[in-house]
Amino acid sequence: QSVLTQPPSASGTPGQRVTISCSGSSSNIGSNTVNWYQQLPGTAPKLLIYSNNQRPSGVPDRFSGSKSGTSASLAISGLQSEDEADYYCAAWDDSLKEVVFGGGTKLTVL
Amino acid sequence: QVQLVQSGAEVKKPGASVKVSCKASGYTFTGYYMHWVRQAPGQGLEWMGRINPNSGGTNYAQKFQGRVTMTRDTSISTAYMELSRLRSDDTAVYYCARGIGYGDSPRDYWGQGTLVTVSS
Repeated sequence: QSVLTQPPSASGTPGQRVTISCSGSSSNIGSNTVNWYQQLPGTAPKLLIYSNNQRPSGVPDRFSGSKSGTSASLAISGLQSEDEADYYCAAWDDSLKEVVFGGGTKLTVL
Repeated sequence: QVQLVQSGAEVKKPGASVKVSCKASGYTFTGYYMHWVRQAPGQGLEWMGRINPNSGGTNYAQKFQGRVTMTRDTSISTAYMELSRLRSDDTAVYYCARGIGYGDSPRDYWGQGTLVTVSS
């Protein structure tokens, strides 16, 4: 059981907008920033969003992040086939004094 | 350019220990945390802990307390993760990843991963 809760799967057709949720608690998302990672098959995770809504250089602006209270969301607009990957959220947990990850969401582009 | 280069794949027997290295280049090694994250086959990401290369201070996930040791050698900009008393369910890809602040998860640069297989 992951401390952060994500839907196991999501899907969309090319050009659509999809969102992936990440639910936590006051000790993690509620009091710390959220990072999002994209993992393509057989590769290391790649930072997609940091500090809730900031994009590293090189990440297309089709990807956006938001946070409200104890939940965060990743939105992908203009869905493309190359977006098919696993997506993870993560945050520091003040109570556990650990980094906690979501269980991951497998995005399928239909 | 920033790079994190990890040591090669390992095969270990149950009960043994494994030590994975992560050599950093292209930035000031002591200026960033180094996190260790693992991923079992077909599973999600699991945080193991982190080290502050400047002070040597560590934070370990409760799950690994007593079995994991993270160290660093600043003279060669290398971080190490040693996991002892290996079990079959420790079979996973182990990643190092750079981090910025205390209350933050790994950031922008990750190693290529090291596959550790535990099998009798």
